[in-house]
Amino acid sequence: DAKTTQPTSMDCAEGRAANLPCNHSTISGNEYVYWYRQIHSQGPQYIIHGLKNNETNEMASLIITEDRKSSTLILPHATLRDTAVYYCIVRAKNTGNQFYFGTGTSLTVIP
Amino acid sequence: DAGVIQSPRHEVTEMGQEVTLRCKPISGHNSLFWYRQTMMRGLELLIYFNNNVPIDDSGMPEDRFSAKMPNASFSTLKIQPSEPRDSAVYFCASSLQVSGANVLTFGAGSRLTVL
Repeated sequence: DAKTTQPTSMDCAEGRAANLPCNHSTISGNEYVYWYRQIHSQGPQYIIHGLKNNETNEMASLIITEDRKSSTLILPHATLRDTAVYYCIVRAKNTGNQFYFGTGTSLTVIP
Repeated sequence: DAGVIQSPRHEVTEMGQEVTLRCKPISGHNSLFWYRQTMMRGLELLIYFNNNVPIDDSGMPEDRFSAKMPNASFSTLKIQPSEPRDSAVYFCASSLQVSGANVLTFGAGSRLTVL
C-alpha cells in the first residue's frame, strides 16, 4: 500500500473550516484513500473514503486531486469535539484487509 | 447494533500472569483485527482474521501472544506470560468489505497495565 505523509499537528479556530492535507504521491489506480480520527482514549473512528471523485458525508468532505497524489479532508465547521488525531490511509481495493495507521495529524480546535 | 464490544476495559496484572482480552465483533462482519497502541509505537496491527481464519499474524510481537477466533462472534487475544512492556491499549476492530472498500469499526479498547 502507498505511503502517506501528513503534517504532525495543526490548529483551527472553532467554527472555521479545518483543512487537513495528505500526500500519497505513490498511490496506484486501485487504491482508496481513507480517513479515520481518534479522539483521546477512544478507538479510531471512520470518517470517509474515496477513490477518484470528491466525497461528502455528514461528517466531512474529501477532496482528491485529479492526479490522486494528494487529498484534503475538510471539516466545514470545526467544533471543540473535533480535536483529535486524524489518520490518512491508502489501501488497495480487494487486497488483504490490513489497515496500517501512520502517525496522523493532531488537530486542535481552539475556542 | 451495540458496535464492537471489548472486555475488560481495564486490566492491571503482575508480570508473569496470563492475560486474556476478549472481543465481540459486529454481527455480519467477516473480518476482525487486533491492534495495539502505545505512545512510542502508535497503532500497530497485530493480527487479522477473515471468516474466522487467521490471515496475517506477522504483527504479533512474539510467541507469548496468541489470538483465536473460534466463531464469527468471538475472538480472544492472550498474552502468556505478560511483561511490563506489554502495557498498552489493545483495540479490536471488525469490518465488512463492500464494493472493494473496507470500513473498520473499532471497539473502545482494553487498557492493559502489567506491573
